[in-house]
Amino acid sequence: SQQGEEDPQALSIQEGENATMNCSYKTSINNLQWYRQNSGRGLVHLILIRSNEREKHSGRLRVTLDTSKKSSSLLITASRAADTASYFCATDNNNDMRFGAGTRLTVKP
Amino acid sequence: NAGVTQTPKFQVLKTGQSMTLQCAQDMNHNSMYWYRQDPGMGLRLIYYSASEGTTDKGEVPNGYNVSRLNKREFSLRLESAAPSQTSVYFCASTASSGSTDTQYFGPGTRLTVL
Repeated sequence: SQQGEEDPQALSIQEGENATMNCSYKTSINNLQWYRQNSGRGLVHLILIRSNEREKHSGRLRVTLDTSKKSSSLLITASRAADTASYFCATDNNNDMRFGAGTRLTVKP
Repeated sequence: NAGVTQTPKFQVLKTGQSMTLQCAQDMNHNSMYWYRQDPGMGLRLIYYSASEGTTDKGEVPNGYNVSRLNKREFSLRLESAAPSQTSVYFCASTASSGSTDTQYFGPGTRLTVL
């Protein structure tokens, strides 16, 4: 069974806009990770946030984690056409990794 | 460093045939994983190996076997392929089995079982 569930399933925005994706999960976690997958390619790790962290930044990425609500969000600021991809959250609970179904982001030039 | 490599990239099998998916990493990682990705389902863990010589079942192990040949290589075997095993298979590795390590993924193997 899946752990993470991303919302929305698909998102379409204009270049320059911000994109926000959400992830909810059900059980306790050690950390939560976000990955990007370009069509036909492997997963690329974006950012890891530990269960005792609330917010983390990496370049144009901002991730928040609310363990009380069992949810996380990924914000991509000033989006680019090259950000078009599927984004997955993955929860890690003592080496048990579970992935959500992903959010398909399309950034229109 | 090549990172995580997988072979083959594509494979078509007939029901009942067997095959082995190969995975290798050159990062001296201890832990390795096999996932399958189905449309709308996200990734699901098939088997993992926390260290050389050990393997454990994941979420969906039925129909698969694995072998941690050495520290570098972790293979996934389908003894008698079924159409339900049509999927994209990803291998991944981490430096340790701790909770702070990033998983590095291979490019995937697209398998179709007719």
